Amino acid sequence: DQQVKQNSPSLSVQEGRISILNCDYTNSMFDYFLWYKKYPAEGPTFLISISSIKDKNEDGRFTVFLNKSAKHLSLHIVPSQPGDSAVYFCAASVSGGGSEKLVFGKGTKLTVNP
Amino acid sequence: EPEVTQTPSHQVTQMGQEVILRCVPISNHLYFYWYRQILGQKVEFLVSFYNNEISEKSEIFDDQFSVERPDGSNFTLKIRSTKLEDSAMYFCASSDGRGGWETQYFGPGTRLLVL
Repeated sequence: DQQVKQNSPSLSVQEGRISILNCDYTNSMFDYFLWYKKYPAEGPTFLISISSIKDKNEDGRFTVFLNKSAKHLSLHIVPSQPGDSAVYFCAASVSGGGSEKLVFGKGTKLTVNP
Repeated sequence: EPEVTQTPSHQVTQMGQEVILRCVPISNHLYFYWYRQILGQKVEFLVSFYNNEISEKSEIFDDQFSVERPDGSNFTLKIRSTKLEDSAMYFCASSDGRGGWETQYFGPGTRLLVL
């Protein structure tokens, strides 16, 4: 039951170019979406989030776009830097449900080449 | 910057043994969570905890698992009789519990290996 899907297991980009990571979801009850960055043998690090009342949220080099009708979100990193190389997880939750557990995608491994 | 801490970083145990994984959530946070990631798989929710009781648990969180907040700072996950398939990275997370759209912050994880 993949409620959150990241269909690209890996992505390789050149330093300075844009990285676009994609995520799709099936549960229309999700109203909060988060991106986490993870290095091997470390915990997920929160990157950026977006609530369902917005369609765009920006924080420095990172922008998340939400298309509710398509149940799709994307993370744009521009310009990409070698230090951005990591696994990026998309996660979603339903707010106000008392638990707000996160449902994760399988992750996309981003490699930024110098 | 406040962070979630977890101990131990690595734990090796024999099948059938009990293990306790420890977490110190961010100090003013009210919601606590355990997740796990089996090698090569996605991060999976185990349990959420609020106001000294379980808010929600997944089907993975069976009778062999329990959680506790024994004092004002620690949050523990106990596995009573470990199985080989419990081998995974276990992550603790916390959120501030103000309501609305909650961001969860994760600890560095405990790598559990059951032999």
